[in-house]
Amino acid sequence: GAGVSQSPSNKVTEKGKDVELRCDPISGHTALYWYRQSLGQGLEFLIYFQGNSAPDKSGLPSDRFSAERTGGSVSTLTIQRTQQEDSAVYLCASSLEGPNTEAFFGQGTRLTVV
Amino acid sequence: AQSVTQPDIHITVSEGASLELRCNYSYGATPYLFWYVQSPGQGLQLLLKYFSGDTLVQGIKGFEAEFKRSQSSFNLRKPSVHWSDAAEYFCAISNDYKLSFGAGTTVTVRA
Repeated sequence: GAGVSQSPSNKVTEKGKDVELRCDPISGHTALYWYRQSLGQGLEFLIYFQGNSAPDKSGLPSDRFSAERTGGSVSTLTIQRTQQEDSAVYLCASSLEGPNTEAFFGQGTRLTVV
Repeated sequence: AQSVTQPDIHITVSEGASLELRCNYSYGATPYLFWYVQSPGQGLQLLLKYFSGDTLVQGIKGFEAEFKRSQSSFNLRKPSVHWSDAAEYFCAISNDYKLSFGAGTTVTVRA
């Protein structure tokens, strides 16, 4: 596609429910990233994919968070047993190769846990 | 570990006036530096980047930034601000693949 696409754009969920956030990167981009943007914490790195593998998962806040990428394309970020502190905007980005190349960001998914 | 600091949380500027946003970085080697802009409800858009070479970098929307190694700075400038420049601006530094962002500077443009 023309840009990084994320869905849904907004998600309201009840505390304790699981949620899945989807990211469609730019076609041909091998690197994919997830970031979280929240008040007071700014923009935080969550995970980096190169192809289908994730060399760096160090930013995932807890074991409730997981992500996968299939076919070197679409990625899904899953949050299990959501908590109110998970409320944030989750941003996905992709880049052509990875290291020090320009990352293009999607518009994000705003997650609200009530 | 590398990091960036944006000292100004909020800046108000008159339309047509010049704008300068400050960014200081901490990194031992030559950094890869970026400026992104985020309009309300939007994702991040890259304004410009510095990898090496010319220390004055031109970007989109009339923005430029100057890399100063002696001051560990990468300040963003625009000679004449338009109302559409009201947004949040983020400086970022790259460590191989991971971007570390500053806290952001919110720019308000008054008529």
